[in-house]
Amino acid sequence: QVQLVESGGGVVQPGRSLRLSCAASGLTFSSYGMHWVRQAPGKGLEWVALISYDGTNKHYADSVKGRFTISRDNSKNTLYLQMNSLRPEDTAVYYCAKDYNWGTFHIWGQGTMVTVSS
Amino acid sequence: EIVLTQSPATLSLSPGERATLSCRASQSVSSYLAWYQQKPGQAPRLLIYDASNRATGIPTRFSGSGFGTDFTLTISSLEPEDFAVYYCQQRSNWPLSFGGGTKVEIK
Repeated sequence: QVQLVESGGGVVQPGRSLRLSCAASGLTFSSYGMHWVRQAPGKGLEWVALISYDGTNKHYADSVKGRFTISRDNSKNTLYLQMNSLRPEDTAVYYCAKDYNWGTFHIWGQGTMVTVSS
Repeated sequence: EIVLTQSPATLSLSPGERATLSCRASQSVSSYLAWYQQKPGQAPRLLIYDASNRATGIPTRFSGSGFGTDFTLTISSLEPEDFAVYYCQQRSNWPLSFGGGTKVEIK
């Protein structure tokens, strides 16, 4: 079955960088768009970014535009989120999710926690 | 940005009862609305997409309806495993956005 496994989370100081990864299995990864979605502790869900199946088309939430970069390596079945200039308000569980119909979150990973704190 | 407002914030019901959850959009999203279920410590799970289509493996007690700005998720008869938080989400406009969630708790 489809499995998405995030990694790369941890504790980082404000202003520093972190790269998250999402390893996919059980699907033809190169055929699907992929998302990052985050959830601050005790809060609701916030969409972060979307990348098309071939990496040519990307969209970002205003809150991360210019600081975060979504990318993918279809040869490695892996999705990435490069997060720069991190802020305390970026503290959240970050989920990767397989896209359905360009904007629905079909299958989710288990999430990786990012804490931005001095 | 399209704002989704979910009501009520909390719904207290007993197993076997019917649950009706509402999601209202600040502007029309056509039928481009999905519903997700999230249990504590777990990732969300897709229940309904495009307003009324059940995702694979979702029980028939879950149904969605609505168009434009007003949407409803109905759970016809609550099972113990249905007590969770439910989110609606639109894909009509960028940025994609979620409602604030409705918690369905045991009465």
